[in-house]
Amino acid sequence: DAGITQSPRHKVTETGTPVTLRCHQTENHRYMYWYRQDPGHGLRLIHYSYGVKDTDKGEVSDGYSVSRSKTEDFLLTLESATSSQTSVYFCAISDKGQEFYNEQFFGPGTRLTVL
Amino acid sequence: SQQGEEDPQALSIQEGENATMNCSYKTSINNLQWYRQNSGRGLVHLILIRSNEREKHSGRLRVTLDTSKKSSSLLITASRAADTASYFCATAQKNNDMRFGAGTRLTVKP
Repeated sequence: DAGITQSPRHKVTETGTPVTLRCHQTENHRYMYWYRQDPGHGLRLIHYSYGVKDTDKGEVSDGYSVSRSKTEDFLLTLESATSSQTSVYFCAISDKGQEFYNEQFFGPGTRLTVL
Repeated sequence: SQQGEEDPQALSIQEGENATMNCSYKTSINNLQWYRQNSGRGLVHLILIRSNEREKHSGRLRVTLDTSKKSSSLLITASRAADTASYFCATAQKNNDMRFGAGTRLTVKP
């Protein structure tokens, strides 16, 4: 999976608890992304980062925050988890290089269940 | 909201047959990409076609892009059981926001 790991891979939590998911890359890629995947919706972008401490919102950012203090790590935090945030979360990376918009490389995913 | 929408939602064929999946999108794009996802795994990039290209090949894959119709197609020739997966189109927009469709689930029967 192109040097991308996600942790944890599975998590079950209760409504109202904070949850942090971690994405770690060894590719030194500039861009990192968090998506959620739900049946019938494909992947939807939550937040992305275009450098250390540089982040921006995606399509479905409400209820989520992110942080990137190092090139290799991108954290996704659910401040107070809700059942609607039960999903599979994917991290992705890309490096613009000569292609203005490169392909993205995806991690293995984290399956989160909020009870 | 989804930018790309794949058609059909599901496709079942016999090994050796060709599989064609279509993607339609709504706004102008910089490029369109196709990804594959095996069950329980992350997405894997297959091919990227730029907005000024009309056709691209990679092995058994052939992608076409018609910007006037805002549509793309992915053709997998001589399919194999190992091609069984979900296939997604993704459109790259100006603000580095990539939008994915809901996918086509392809089943190739041996």
